[in-house]
Amino acid sequence: SAVISQKPSRDICQRGTSLTIQCQVDSQVTMMFWYRQQPGQSLTLIATANQGSEATYESGFVIDKFPISRPNLTFSTLTVSNMSPEDSSIYLCSVAIDYNEQFFGPGTRLTVL
Amino acid sequence: DAKTTQPNSMESNEEEPVHLPCNHSTISGTDYIHWYRQLPSQGPEYVIHGLTSNVNNRMASLAIAEDRKSSTLILHRATLRDAAVYYCILSLAGNTDKLIFGTGTRLQVFP
Repeated sequence: SAVISQKPSRDICQRGTSLTIQCQVDSQVTMMFWYRQQPGQSLTLIATANQGSEATYESGFVIDKFPISRPNLTFSTLTVSNMSPEDSSIYLCSVAIDYNEQFFGPGTRLTVL
Repeated sequence: DAKTTQPNSMESNEEEPVHLPCNHSTISGTDYIHWYRQLPSQGPEYVIHGLTSNVNNRMASLAIAEDRKSSTLILHRATLRDAAVYYCILSLAGNTDKLIFGTGTRLQVFP
């Protein structure tokens, strides 16, 4: 299994600003992912955070808006840039230890005013 | 990506079995069937997965139709703590990075 922590747990931000969310795992993992969960909705995969190379983004998500870093096998950051109220969501990171199970962090609840 | 269809909501009484259905008529031969659940204010957690045969673990059982076009997650005795949104997800064998979440089934459990 894996224990995942995220910082901050929640934040309220002004439009036009940026927020960086941190994801820390208690063990080295190969695969790390970032998801978004808009209010009352299901989860949407934003990107796969690749260690040592650029993240792989899903359709509808771009690096300029959601830059991701993955400096090592236990840590990743997601930045939500130039925020608007539509970015208000819960952002979750997850990791895959093997090919059968993902473990999710508790999420970061973002409100943009 | 193959799509899944689940009822929006279901209800159960505590201590009773719950059968959560999932239709996946476009499933391919290499797709695994995964179930995750999301408790209120938490990230999703893995429940169970399978390919062709029925599967059991400490949390639940997974019954897979012979043609694999549908499956059922079985909670043998629902507790209040089982109230959550349950997601049925298909992923390619050895490729759990493509967890495409559908709308899921919101399970309510009454005392």
